Amino acid sequence: RKEVEQDPGPFNVPEGATVAFNCTYSNSASQSFFWYRQDCRKEPKLLMSVYSSGNEDGRFTAQLNRASQYISLLIRDSKLSDSATYLCVVNAVYGGATNKLIFGTGTLLAVQP
Amino acid sequence: NAGVTQTPKFQVLKTGQSMTLQCAQDMNHEYMSWYRQDPGMGLRLIHYSVGAGITDQGEVPNGYNVSRSTTEDFPLRLLSAAPSQTSVYFCASSGAAAGLSEQYFGPGTRLTVT
Repeated sequence: RKEVEQDPGPFNVPEGATVAFNCTYSNSASQSFFWYRQDCRKEPKLLMSVYSSGNEDGRFTAQLNRASQYISLLIRDSKLSDSATYLCVVNAVYGGATNKLIFGTGTLLAVQP
Repeated sequence: NAGVTQTPKFQVLKTGQSMTLQCAQDMNHEYMSWYRQDPGMGLRLIHYSVGAGITDQGEVPNGYNVSRSTTEDFPLRLLSAAPSQTSVYFCASSGAAAGLSEQYFGPGTRLTVT
């Protein structure tokens, strides 16, 4: 089983739609959770961190469910400019002090006009 | 503010050749790392550094060396290129250890080994 799993998509949605991505992780010791956005042939950039209580940034809402070990990203009122790959990223601690970022393979979102 | 810069942007090597991918950051970040990104796989950590003079191996270190003589620079050396090292390489820096603060990525180096 992969440490971080995402549906690769593509998710094809019309402008204005609401779309949700889920991501599951296997290491229960994971402490920090993030969503990064990666445009085609570009570098990943932080979209938002995911907090235990859930958090919102404009049209984007992130949720964490520790019991079921998944995080989610909800995008409301999709824009053409939201088209990108969304990477689920989880931090886990191994062997005491070693921090490691584990990246999912990404979910491709294509917003159609 | 340049952020994280990488050179070259593209490179083609023959099997067995060696080369160094350059990475520099101007944010005075202590933590720097190298990842490779391959189709169908997430970014995988090659090597990382928590400060000048300190480096450690990540998930896929074989075939690569790093050094960190200054805070700003973190070059990645391919010792003897192999076709399996064909990939996109990203350098990243952050103000704290992985997972504790935002990772800033460079624009990437697309490497092809023939």
